[in-house]
Amino acid sequence: RKEVEQDPGPFNVPEGATVAFNCTYSNSASQSFFWYRQDCRKEPKLLMSVYSSGNEDGRFTAQLNRASQYISLLIRDSKLSDSATYLCVVNVSGGYNKLIFGAGTRLAVHP
Amino acid sequence: DVKVTQSSRYLVKRTGEKVFLECVQDMDHENMFWYRQDPGLGLRLIYFSYDVKMKEKGDIPEGYSVSREKKERFSLILESASTNQTSMYLCASSFRDRDAEAFFGQGTRLTVV
Repeated sequence: RKEVEQDPGPFNVPEGATVAFNCTYSNSASQSFFWYRQDCRKEPKLLMSVYSSGNEDGRFTAQLNRASQYISLLIRDSKLSDSATYLCVVNVSGGYNKLIFGAGTRLAVHP
Repeated sequence: DVKVTQSSRYLVKRTGEKVFLECVQDMDHENMFWYRQDPGLGLRLIYFSYDVKMKEKGDIPEGYSVSREKKERFSLILESASTNQTSMYLCASSFRDRDAEAFFGQGTRLTVV
């Protein structure tokens, strides 16, 4: 079983739609969680961290469910510029910040 | 601005060659990572280093080795390149703090023929 699993998509949504991605992780000792964004032919970049209480950054909301070991990302009012691959990332070694990436979920927003 | 620099953007090597991929970061980060990225498989961790001369195997270390003699530099070595090592290689660095952001280099597209 992979340490971090995501639905690869693609999710094809119209502009203005709300879309949600889920991610599950297998290591119950994982301590920190993130969503990264990767544009086509570019390197991944941090989108947001995921906190136990949930957190919001503009149109983006991240949630963590430790009991079920899943993380979610909600994007409201999708823009064309949101088209990218969204990578779920887990720190599996709290002391050293060893980061394991999911395979990513591809989002395509169309006019 | 944080900068992670990989020595080559594109590389073509022959089967059996020894290949060196170099990565340098300028932010005094403790951690450095080497990942490979393949379609449908995402980023897979090859090796991780949390300090000079310290290394830890990732999920797919077979066929690779690493060297970290200086804090800012992390090298990935393919001892004898094979065609199944054709891939995009990404280097990253971060502070050791549990919530630290990882910064990536632009990637090296390696083709082994």
